[in-house]
Amino acid sequence: GAVVSQHPSWVICKSGTSVKIECRSLDFQATTMFWYRQFPKQSLMLMATSNEGSKATYEQGVEKDKFLINHASLTLSTLTVTSAHPEDSSFYICSARDPTTGRNGYTFGSGTRLTVV
Amino acid sequence: AQKVTQAQTEISVVEKEDVTLDCVYETRDTTYYLFWYKQPPSGELVFLIRRNSFDEQNEISGRYSWNFQKSTSSFNFTITASQVVDSAVYFCALRSGNYGQNFVFGPGTRLSVLP
Repeated sequence: GAVVSQHPSWVICKSGTSVKIECRSLDFQATTMFWYRQFPKQSLMLMATSNEGSKATYEQGVEKDKFLINHASLTLSTLTVTSAHPEDSSFYICSARDPTTGRNGYTFGSGTRLTVV
Repeated sequence: AQKVTQAQTEISVVEKEDVTLDCVYETRDTTYYLFWYKQPPSGELVFLIRRNSFDEQNEISGRYSWNFQKSTSSFNFTITASQVVDSAVYFCALRSGNYGQNFVFGPGTRLSVLP
């Protein structure tokens, strides 16, 4: 079945630094990927939709200059948290659709737990 | 607008008890998909089930069963004879039938199964 690999699974960084999270579709091509954020004991909230070869679409309230999304190829989308602050500490998870499995073939990555100290 | 409500924030049961997790959704789409995911402490989302809006058949998979009722916009999840390993956060989610639409997740229900 479709596999989405997310890396790293966890990261600790210092306040003010940038962190890049990768989301790869391993055995399929994904023109669209989604990035979600989950604060402790809360639900997953969509941050942005990543479109291959074009700009990402951000949800209201998500700073596009802080959360840089690049979808340069059909198998890779990256989320860069720039100038990270402790309030950015969260669980980030991506999702991608395998077009060969129809409209329901969405797969989630295993998530990245970001801690900013 | 789409919305998913899971009224139960936390549930605790003793092992072997049956437990039902409630899910109520809102959507204007005529075609949509409903999901249940399990999120253990490790964080990954474990897919449990997907239901199409035009298929109201209930489903049973081992100890898990799902009751989909369009008339009440509900998609409830029952675990029979619960086990400690069932302890996790369970999310109900909704996705539009249109291509490329994202998931809308409910707030989740934290289930604790005590030995």
